[in-house]
Amino acid sequence: IAGITQAPTSQILAAGRRMTLRCTQDMRHNAMYWYRQDLGLGLRLIHYSNTAGTTGKGEVPDGYSVSRANTDDFPLTLASAVPSQTSVYFCASSKQGGSQPQHFGDGTRLSIL
Amino acid sequence: GENVEQHPSTLSVQEGDSAVIKCTYSDSASNYFPWYKQELGKRPQLIIDIRSNVGEKKDQRIAVTLNKTAKHFSLHITETQPEDSAVYFCAASISSNDYKLSFGAGTTVTVRA
Repeated sequence: IAGITQAPTSQILAAGRRMTLRCTQDMRHNAMYWYRQDLGLGLRLIHYSNTAGTTGKGEVPDGYSVSRANTDDFPLTLASAVPSQTSVYFCASSKQGGSQPQHFGDGTRLSIL
Repeated sequence: GENVEQHPSTLSVQEGDSAVIKCTYSDSASNYFPWYKQELGKRPQLIIDIRSNVGEKKDQRIAVTLNKTAKHFSLHITETQPEDSAVYFCAASISSNDYKLSFGAGTTVTVRA
């Protein structure tokens, strides 16, 4: 079934550790996104990529980095995790960047202790 | 999220009644307004969207209306059913951020049987 796959499903991580959240899509969408979801704050954009080889900063990029080596994969890295990064992380994609319907993955629940 | 306000934060309705959720935005150049439904522990799923050149769009029991002058848009659910219980998020494309989506904080809808 075509869609977006995120891994891991959940993770508990010690503060200061490095962590990479994986996201893969098989819909050949050009644009991909990373959001964090916190209670009462909705979905906030962390980073995005309009096409392979390019990335951009969203609303809350500090402490996170991304890469887009190919069309399908868009990993999100926390270089040194802090407790405030405890959240549910969603990856999404759309055919093109900009004003397009976005399709979401199942999310990664991350707890930083 | 930034630039998009959503009300109410919670909504309880009797089965069969209508539910209305309203969102306001500040960017007059916003041109795309999707609505997402998120069931507990699941991914956000697009249920309906509208573009700025249209005032209203319907899909069975769901409708969205857009008032560009007042910069607000609303989701209408008629003949509510228990399976409509979920968190609903509105979003608007933000021209200052390459038309990426900015999400409202969400509305928790509970349909009472």
